[in-house]
Amino acid sequence: AQTVTQSQPEMSVQEAETVTLSCTYDTSESDYYLFWYKQPPSRQMILVIRQEAYKQQNATENRFSVNFQKAAKSFSLKISDSQLGDAAMYFCAYRSAYLTSGTYKYIFGTGTRLKVLA
Amino acid sequence: DTGVSQDPRHKITKRGQNVTFRCDPISEHNRLYWYRQTLGQGPEFLTYFQNEAQLEKSRLLSDRFSAERPKGSFSTLEIQRTEQGDSAMYLCASRPRTGALQETQYFGPGTRLLVL
Repeated sequence: AQTVTQSQPEMSVQEAETVTLSCTYDTSESDYYLFWYKQPPSRQMILVIRQEAYKQQNATENRFSVNFQKAAKSFSLKISDSQLGDAAMYFCAYRSAYLTSGTYKYIFGTGTRLKVLA
Repeated sequence: DTGVSQDPRHKITKRGQNVTFRCDPISEHNRLYWYRQTLGQGPEFLTYFQNEAQLEKSRLLSDRFSAERPKGSFSTLEIQRTEQGDSAMYLCASRPRTGALQETQYFGPGTRLLVL
């Protein structure tokens, strides 16, 4: 079974600095997607960035980028020029290959709480 | 596109009562998911609908839980004979059928349930 591990329950970063959140996963599949979701205190989760496993190029969205190491099964999120609004829970998520039941399986890590210090 | 909405946002009930939550997905999203999230944890999958068909149910979904999506649009999640262990945030997410972002789930704000 696939698993997603976020080993940092909490991280802090100074405003305008860079922070990296870690995520590792375990799978035997070759076709999958990885996501980072942000859940602010209001608790509505929004997508930050996604990565297709077959793409070697790391995804980038403005100040957010990932370091995808497929062989190591690692998917870290780098936030550059951190802003106060980045403070939130960040969840790493894995989407499986297509299942015979007609869907995909989505598995989430336990999250990392990011604090941004002014 | 007004996003995924959920109602109510908060629910307090007494143990043994039945509760029902509603999720309205983004229009034209034919895939709909229910998750449960407890404090300090990530969302745990409960069930999945494609149109009106419930294609997948987690073992977490005991007999007291039932979900429907009668016309392939909104969905309801009912918990019968609530227990204190049911206290959690219940999240709904939808996903489009096609398009560049069809792999991405769009989440609602959740319904926070407290069972006393």
